[in-house]
Amino acid sequence: DTGVSQNPRHKITKRGQNVTFRCDPISEHNRLYWYRQTLGQGPEFLTYFQNEAQLEKSRLLSDRFSAERPKGSFSTLEIQRTEQGDSAMYLCASSFAVDTQYFGPGTRLTVL
Amino acid sequence: AQSVTQLDSQVPVFEEAPVELRCNYSSSVSVYLFWYVQYPNQGLQLLLKYLSGSTLVKGINGFEAEFNKSQTSFHLRKPSVHISDTAEYFCAVSMTGGGNKLTFGTGTQLKVEL
Repeated sequence: DTGVSQNPRHKITKRGQNVTFRCDPISEHNRLYWYRQTLGQGPEFLTYFQNEAQLEKSRLLSDRFSAERPKGSFSTLEIQRTEQGDSAMYLCASSFAVDTQYFGPGTRLTVL
Repeated sequence: AQSVTQLDSQVPVFEEAPVELRCNYSSSVSVYLFWYVQYPNQGLQLLLKYLSGSTLVKGINGFEAEFNKSQTSFHLRKPSVHISDTAEYFCAVSMTGGGNKLTFGTGTQLKVEL
């Protein structure tokens, strides 16, 4: 068990650019979650996958955000036309069915 | 929908003193309850969880929490804290029959001083 990994750990971008983050879950976990955490707040749910199917999306996930999990393993989260308000820590978690969610170290996004 | 309230944004405490971090939740359905800890620039680590059964739950690093259904609370306690317990602590809930997405509180910063 190598844990949940996320890449990159830090990303600095200019407003209007597109960014993509990757999450590699624990290998036997079939559920994968994305959360966003802003300074001084708790994480907020964005979306989750069961295998390759995206089963729920939060209203926080505007049309500039898209997430995929093409083969039911790793997942990517893309933000198009980034805005300063997108600056946050993006956290990925995985679980086996409805069991405990294990979190990755996060990707910190800074939009200038 | 569920919500979680952590009334204390910061809790300062001296080393070896006891500590209680408060968590209250609101939900129209049955929930699972969790406490996570976050160290600086790291992800979240599960401390303990309540799914069913005994209302007193023991977790890692000497922490425990008690589920109180009538008061809709799930307070976290430790009888004697250590400097290394300095971190942000998050209470979270999820619906028992849902997709298991977590709803978090705003967190409590525990600062342990010598």
